[in-house]
Amino acid sequence: AQTVTQSQPEMSVQEAETVTLSCTYDTSESDYYLFWYKQPPSRQMILVIRQEAYKQQNATENRFSVNFQKAAKSFSLKISDSQLGDAAMYFCAYKSLGNQFYFGTGTSLTVIP
Amino acid sequence: KAGVTQTPRYLIKTRGQQVTLSCSPISGHRSVSWYQQTPGQGLQFLFEYFSETQRNKGNFPGRFSGRQFSNSRSEMNVSTLELGDSALYLCASSLDQGSRGNSPLHFGNGTRLTVT
Repeated sequence: AQTVTQSQPEMSVQEAETVTLSCTYDTSESDYYLFWYKQPPSRQMILVIRQEAYKQQNATENRFSVNFQKAAKSFSLKISDSQLGDAAMYFCAYKSLGNQFYFGTGTSLTVIP
Repeated sequence: KAGVTQTPRYLIKTRGQQVTLSCSPISGHRSVSWYQQTPGQGLQFLFEYFSETQRNKGNFPGRFSGRQFSNSRSEMNVSTLELGDSALYLCASSLDQGSRGNSPLHFGNGTRLTVT
């Protein structure tokens, strides 16, 4: 089974600064999809960004971008110009060809004003 | 378009009782998944339903069961509740595009279950 590892249980960043959240995964599949989700205190999981494994170009969504290293099985999330509203739990997720999602244990991000 | 709706938002039950949670997916989504979220454990996959059939199942005991109706709404049932079942239960739906689709999961707000 695939596993997803987020090695940083907690991270903090100064407002307006940049922070990178790490994620690694283990798989024998060559084709798959990767996602980052954000869960604010309101509890609802919100999609932040997605990446197709067959695409070499890193995905970008406004202030959010990823560094996808397929050979290293690494999928980090970079948040630029951090805002107070970015404070949340962030989950990395892997979607297998069997349509099953695997989640990491999350990174709690604190934004310091 | 309405999002994923889960009811109720909060539940308090006693050990040994049973509970049923409900989930209405986004219109047009036929895949519904359930997750258990506890502090430090992240999201643990319970099961996924597609077109009224259980397509994937996680590693949970048989006390956890689910079903999906013809309108794609889903219910999850937990029997003989234990203290360790206290958790946030999240439902998610997706627009299934087959194995090659990059459609994400869309989550509801969850049901917070407390077992005393």
